[in-house]
Amino acid sequence: DTAVSQTPKYLVTQMGNDKSIKCEQNLGHDTMYWYKQDSKKFLKIMFSYNNKELIINETVPNRFSPKSPDKAHLNLHINSLELGDSAVYFCASSRSGDTEAFFGQGTRLTVV
Amino acid sequence: GIQVEQSPPDLILQEGANSTLRCNFSDSVNNLQWFHQNPWGQLINLFYIPSGTKQNGRLSATTVATERYSLLYISSSQTTDSGVYFCAARTRTGYSTLTFGKGTMLLVSP
Repeated sequence: DTAVSQTPKYLVTQMGNDKSIKCEQNLGHDTMYWYKQDSKKFLKIMFSYNNKELIINETVPNRFSPKSPDKAHLNLHINSLELGDSAVYFCASSRSGDTEAFFGQGTRLTVV
Repeated sequence: GIQVEQSPPDLILQEGANSTLRCNFSDSVNNLQWFHQNPWGQLINLFYIPSGTKQNGRLSATTVATERYSLLYISSSQTTDSGVYFCAARTRTGYSTLTFGKGTMLLVSP
């Protein structure tokens, strides 16, 4: 019974394609996040949602569109993939903004 | 936004040695967490410690919020402790999320 789960774990795709990454949490948390980890291991926030509402959008290209159908899910859709989008994407959740956050296992996206 | 700096950037230890990792942050925080990213890429929660001291087995952490730093202690290190240790902090001011430091890469050799 994984707390925060992402699918797929690995994604290899060609430039220009559109892809989605799904995230689900079974912790009953209200806040969910997407982080991007680059090749130097630096983790940076992309989006934050609270109760299905977008709270933070950190200068991410609008090819990236998060969607939260309900509190337990936050999916990430990426249009027109570019080589520079290759990274590991982590989903996370917390009860509220200042409580402990828990991360999924990550999705390694490779754009060729 | 808040700045989070970790030191040292890299650390090599012999199995059995002790170590201290440091995290400095630039603003008052209401959330501070330590994570271990294992060689398989998983981010494992170690401590949620916006202030005070906690211990979990061979690991312990202390956050001195008034002086804006946190320390992670690893005692009797094992090869399985290898990986990257991240500190992440959230500022009290405004609405924000966890900001990560650049991490400390730890290698424990047998």
